[in-house]
This record gives sequence, C-alpha cells and structure tokens, in this order.
Amino acid sequence: NAGVMQNPRHLVRRRGQEARLRCSPMKGHSHVYWYRQLPEEGLKFMVYLQKENIIDESGMPKERFSAEFPKEGPSILRIQQVVRGDSAAYFCASSPQNSQETQYFGPGTRLLVL
Amino acid sequence: AQSVSQHNHHVILSEAASLELGCNYSYGGTVNLFWYVQYPGQHLQLLLKYFSGDPLVKGIKGFEAEFIKSKFSFNLRKPSVQWSDTAEYFCAVTPYNNNDMRFGAGTRLTVKP
Repeated sequence: NAGVMQNPRHLVRRRGQEARLRCSPMKGHSHVYWYRQLPEEGLKFMVYLQKENIIDESGMPKERFSAEFPKEGPSILRIQQVVRGDSAAYFCASSPQNSQETQYFGPGTRLLVL
Repeated sequence: AQSVSQHNHHVILSEAASLELGCNYSYGGTVNLFWYVQYPGQHLQLLLKYFSGDPLVKGIKGFEAEFIKSKFSFNLRKPSVQWSDTAEYFCAVTPYNNNDMRFGAGTRLTVKP
C-alpha cells in the first residue's frame, strides 16, 4: 500500500519562474493538506482540499499561490513568479475522511529558488 | 490565536539518557494532539497521538506522551534514548472538528553514541 507520494523531491527554479508541486494521496484518501516548512521553523498549514473543492485556504499567501485537487490525478500546488523567500520544503499530507483522522505525510518537495 | 510552543530548540543527550521534550498549546477547547518525528533526510512520521481516553499515550519506538489538560501540555518522553533517535520532533495540535493542524517549531534531538 503506497504512501503519500510527492514529486519532484527537489525542484530548482530561478526567480520569476513557476513551480508546480504534485501530491498523490494514499489510496482511499480523499483529503489533502499542504504545509510549508521554512528553514528553522515548524510546519505551517497552507491549504486543505477535497476532490474538486478547496475547503480551507486560510494559510495560503494571497498572491502567486494556488492549489487544486482535480477529480482525476494528483493535487497540485502551484507557485507563480517564484521569489527567493519561497525556498522551503513543501509537505503534502492525506487523510481518509477529515482532519479527525490521522494525517499521513509525504516525503516533501524541497524548492530552491535561485 | 491558537499556537503550539516547543521550548527546546536543540537537545543534546548521551545514549541511555532519559528524554523529555516539552509541548504547550494555547487553545481553550477540545484538541487532538500529535507528535511527529522527522529523521534526517526523511519525511514526517507519526510517533503517537491523543484523541481521548487515557492521557498517557504509548507510541512507537518506546516513546510516550502525557496530556495534562490543566497545563495545556503534551510532553514527549523516552526513558532511554538511542543514537538512532537523532531527529527533529514536532508537536502538533488540531482543535476538535477543525482541519487546521498547527505545528510547533520543532526540537532537534542529537544523541551522542
């Protein structure tokens, strides 16, 4: 039973480019969460999605960041016009039904903006 | 605002020493509590969790945590650490019926052989 999968594991972008981070939840899980881990800080919640719905995006920066979880395929976290401050590890987690279930984390995508 | 505090940023212990990592949260309602571990170069893994019932929770690898409601604390303990316990440990809190999981800043544990 495969766990949460994220790709790429490492992503290097130049300032102004776009970054696309993918997350495939565990089989049977319909809820996806994205977190960002900045250097020397803990994980910070960004967005919570179900299939085709954004449930809570209170942790998402207002500009340049967007997330989706289509009916088919992985969840995508998209960062447009990246800046150096976007360099961080981005973790995806999934749970079967809702946040009362344990969230299972993927290995993370480490984004480096040059 | 809801927050999670881990007061120890870096803890250095010798093998066989006892461990206690502090975690305090600020939220007045019912909460679910978690400890996650991140080994070097790996992703987060769940160590243990508390939803209800016995406030002393046993987790994997000999770890345990005690929920003290009056102190808003959920400290992680292990009687005798091993070199392989070297990792970063994150405390996390989710208010009951709320999807917003908040993490502490993490505590880096270094165990010297």
